[in-house]
Amino acid sequence: DAKTTQPTSMDCAEGRAANLPCNHSTISGNEYVYWYRQIHSQGPQYIIHGLKNNETNEMASLIITEDRKSSTLILPHATLRDTAVYYCIVRVNTNAGKSTFGDGTTLTVKP
Amino acid sequence: GAVVSQHPSWVICKSGTSVKIECRSLDFQATTMFWYRQFPKKSLMLMATSNEGSKATYEQGVEKDKFLINHASLTLSTLTVTSAHPEDSSFYICSATNSGAKNIQYFGAGTRLSVL
Repeated sequence: DAKTTQPTSMDCAEGRAANLPCNHSTISGNEYVYWYRQIHSQGPQYIIHGLKNNETNEMASLIITEDRKSSTLILPHATLRDTAVYYCIVRVNTNAGKSTFGDGTTLTVKP
Repeated sequence: GAVVSQHPSWVICKSGTSVKIECRSLDFQATTMFWYRQFPKKSLMLMATSNEGSKATYEQGVEKDKFLINHASLTLSTLTVTSAHPEDSSFYICSATNSGAKNIQYFGAGTRLSVL
């Protein structure tokens, strides 16, 4: 799987948008970008994924650059409950596609 | 979203005993499940891929005789930590891919194993 690079940590003020970047410069044409988050002592929670088009769901928006070498996860109105480790993962979109986790970004939302 | 259930959520055992962890996909069938372990303040590390009806595929450095995986049905995979020792204490997490929902991989809540 392609290696991803994320900042170690970020802070965000409550109510403001949180923009979490991810670099995946070696992504292959058939690999998707997935975002998960892990709140302390819980399993990772799926957030969003995409191939090349920007995506939006009830949790977040995903912006993928045209060359697909990087992406940004946007939490439009961060709350304290969004404090977590956010993981950007690149993998093939198949039943057997393995998710390889990097170190992720620790997002701290502050009052 | 789809639900993946793990049981137990927490287990304490004596050194030398074996511990079985169950992973179930509750509302979808999963021909493939994955097992991870996570040490404190570290990321998830993939241990093995569990394949329904066939042998599991282990990642490099993971002892297959130590971590026995059985995927006997389309909704259940089990991980057995054999002859557990204190260094096996960790957070074990499973995941399953819902091929009926854009191949999104869903994760269980994890099992915390403490070996005394």
